[in-house]
Amino acid sequence: GENVEQHPSTLSVQEGDSAVIKCTYSDSASNYFPWYKQELGKRPQLIIDIRSNVGEKKDQRIAVTLNKTAKHFSLHITETQPEDSAVYFCAASIGAAGNKLTFGGGTRVLVKP
Amino acid sequence: GAGVSQTPSNKVTEKGKYVELRCDPISGHTALYWYRQSLGQGPEFLIYFQGTGAADDSGLPNDRFFAVRPEGSVSTLKIQRTERGDSAVYLCASSLTGILSTEAFFGQGTRLTVV
Repeated sequence: GENVEQHPSTLSVQEGDSAVIKCTYSDSASNYFPWYKQELGKRPQLIIDIRSNVGEKKDQRIAVTLNKTAKHFSLHITETQPEDSAVYFCAASIGAAGNKLTFGGGTRVLVKP
Repeated sequence: GAGVSQTPSNKVTEKGKYVELRCDPISGHTALYWYRQSLGQGPEFLIYFQGTGAADDSGLPNDRFFAVRPEGSVSTLKIQRTERGDSAVYLCASSLTGILSTEAFFGQGTRLTVV
């Protein structure tokens, strides 16, 4: 089955700096890669996703890149703000099996004002 | 409702008891998923419904866990003979369709504590 590794487990950045989180996956059939943000005690919320036919996607301060050959994808947050502080999860799924997501272990991001 | 609703939000039960956790998906969403999230970890897949049928139950840890979705909308996750290791947040998610990777919306979860 799919295995998703996520690094780093914690990340502390100064407000205004960039944050980068990296994930690797094992199943070359994976074709959908969402990123979720989870604040303490709240539900995971989708912030951006990318499909395997695209190498990069950007939405305001958030961007995701995908390298299918190397089987890794990354989340980039620019101009970080204190409200970006949360736990971020990457995930991978195989379309033929529905939206069954395999999640990484999460990255706790702390943006210091 | 506007989002995925889960009840109860918290459940404390004694070891060996039976519990039911309920999920109300977003109206019109045919796909429904149950995940389990232990402290400090990512959600772990349990089961996926497409309509009324369980399309993939490969994540259920053992036969004490069972889930139903009789009318293709509300789903109930049932845990028999609960153990302390079952303590976790149980998350439900729904998506418009389970095919071609449409966005999955999560509920707030039910925090289950087995004492």
